[in-house]
Amino acid sequence: AQSVTQLDSHVSVSEGTPVLLRCNYSSSYSPSLFWYVQHPNKGLQLLLKYTSAATLVKGINGFEAEFKKSETSFHLTKPSAHMSDAAEYFCVVRSNQAGTALIFGKGTTLSVSS
Amino acid sequence: SQTIHQWPATLVQPVGSPLSLECTVEGTSNPNLYWYRQAAGRGLQLLFYSVGIGQISSEVPQNLSASRPQDRQFILSSKKLLLSDSGFYLCAWSRTGPSYGYTFGSGTRLTVV
Repeated sequence: AQSVTQLDSHVSVSEGTPVLLRCNYSSSYSPSLFWYVQHPNKGLQLLLKYTSAATLVKGINGFEAEFKKSETSFHLTKPSAHMSDAAEYFCVVRSNQAGTALIFGKGTTLSVSS
Repeated sequence: SQTIHQWPATLVQPVGSPLSLECTVEGTSNPNLYWYRQAAGRGLQLLFYSVGIGQISSEVPQNLSASRPQDRQFILSSKKLLLSDSGFYLCAWSRTGPSYGYTFGSGTRLTVV
């Protein structure tokens, strides 16, 4: 069975400060992990993905995430927040077992103040 | 390059009316296709997925159905909408293989009144 838990439903930061969005996963098989971003009333855009290669994954718009198997975590970070980063972020897991679909976390809303 | 189209963008329908949402993919063949629903504060719920023409897997028993009449066309339907069907519906496609993420359409905001 797979599941993903986003530990914060809402994160608020000031522009120029670091961003940390936390995610823990559970998977019976070696997982692939993803972060997606969704701006209001828009579809979802892939930020980055981990697929058993390098544990530190760099994505678009300056975001990165580190896969830590011992902690079953895949936290998303960015050194300096920008106003345009305000959006909802989803952590997603997909088991490497054939035939499985993506399982989404409930999302974290990121607010960025000036 | 591959693109995914989903329409309409917004829809207001009365309770008991039928529904048809359409999704098409261009630039690839034999994609895996998905319908998700997003309700406020509840993340994305997988409704249906399809690995080929006429092959539909349902994840959640409910008032909705899906069909795949062509390789790159995926349709979400209902014979009679319920208030609880309101939400943001997203279509997505992916290549086969666990390392592939999904590419999402722009979504349909459905309000049942």
